[in-house]
Amino acid sequence: TQLLEQSPQFLSIQEGENLTVYCNSSSVFSSLQWYRQEPGEGPVLLVTVVTGGEVKKLKRLTFQFGDARKDSSLHITAAQTGDTGLYLCAGALASNYQLIWGAGTKLIIKP
Amino acid sequence: NAGVTQTPKFQVLKTGQSMTLQCAQDMNHNSMYWYRQDPGMGLRLIYYSASEGTTDKGEVPNGYNVSRLNKREFSLRLESAAPSQTSVYFCASSEARDRSNQPQHFGDGTRLSIL
Repeated sequence: TQLLEQSPQFLSIQEGENLTVYCNSSSVFSSLQWYRQEPGEGPVLLVTVVTGGEVKKLKRLTFQFGDARKDSSLHITAAQTGDTGLYLCAGALASNYQLIWGAGTKLIIKP
Repeated sequence: NAGVTQTPKFQVLKTGQSMTLQCAQDMNHNSMYWYRQDPGMGLRLIYYSASEGTTDKGEVPNGYNVSRLNKREFSLRLESAAPSQTSVYFCASSEARDRSNQPQHFGDGTRLSIL
């Protein structure tokens, strides 16, 4: 069974703080996608990282793909209440492009 | 822009009843997917369809059937609902013709309870 572990499972912090969410596996991925899901809605793609070591920025969100393409991180600077949601990572296996989903990190930003 | 539309949004069934979840996309995407989402388990693929007329099993296909009616529509059927099928079901679509790096676009889900 292919696993993609996300940590932490739950994070509650004050507005203005920084945070990092991790996505780890023993499998190699051809790419890794990060999604955000709000209550009552489906996941929405934030970013796709493809190259080992790649860093992508989306305003206050920084995404990094590990050099070995087995892990990824999402760093949020100066979190805002609008960042609240469930963050999901999904890796496309290098062997067959099967998409493996992490269980998600539930993030709550308190005003 | 409608994107991916799922109906119904909510449904309560009794054990043994059957029902069909409908999904339609207006993005001219080739691939469509059905997932279930349970607390602490992430998204699990039930079935997917790489193109009109083709369907393949995913990680958890037992108890479900699917139909790719045309390029736009992909339905999921529960023939005899069981309490273990209580979940939130998401339909998604992707431009790719097969499993790939392409992003997936999701509907807003169907919340299904089996009593």
